[in-house]
Amino acid sequence: DVKVTQSSRYLVKRTGEKVFLECVQDMDHENMFWYRQDPGLGLRLIYFSYDVKMKEKGDIPEGYSVSREKKERFSLILESASTNQTSMYLCASSLSGSTDTQYFGPGTRLTVL
Amino acid sequence: DAKTTQPPSMDCAEGRAANLPCNHSTISGNEYVYWYRQIHSQGPQYIIHGLKNNETNEMASLIITEDRKSSTLILPHATLRDTAVYYCIVRRNNNDMRFGAGTRLTVKP
Repeated sequence: DVKVTQSSRYLVKRTGEKVFLECVQDMDHENMFWYRQDPGLGLRLIYFSYDVKMKEKGDIPEGYSVSREKKERFSLILESASTNQTSMYLCASSLSGSTDTQYFGPGTRLTVL
Repeated sequence: DAKTTQPPSMDCAEGRAANLPCNHSTISGNEYVYWYRQIHSQGPQYIIHGLKNNETNEMASLIITEDRKSSTLILPHATLRDTAVYYCIVRRNNNDMRFGAGTRLTVKP
């Protein structure tokens, strides 16, 4: 079974703090993704990565950056957290092709006060 | 710019088959139909996907109409643990994984 884990289930931060969300997959997948999920807006793609040190912007990259130093780990960084970044953050991974099935982690519910 | 239409909610009796419809009338020839579900406060769980042919796995069956404009996800013997929001997605590539509002399925005893 594919396992995607995220560093925290729940996180509370203050406005202006730098926030790191970590995601690890154990299936040697090439592709990794970060989404946020908000009521009424569905899932929105923030960033994705096809390979180590590679990254591509998704639909809503503003206010976020990512890091992929190792194949199994994909980090999402909020340089200066704001209240409008309060959301559920979901990490996913897939094998290598552009249509390979994406498998999701359990999510991190981030609250920015 | 939703590509799929699903009923907002459905009920199903425990032990009976749950048939969840999805309309995707504008689907292109190279777009796959994917189904995921999301149990409250958890990440989406992959269920099944298909292109043209009907598909079956240990979780569910996917029936795609011949014109590919609609599909049905079938959970053959629904249990209380199948209560979740079910998402139908048409997808061409990684940038196209767009989850809509889905169908909230409630399995009742």
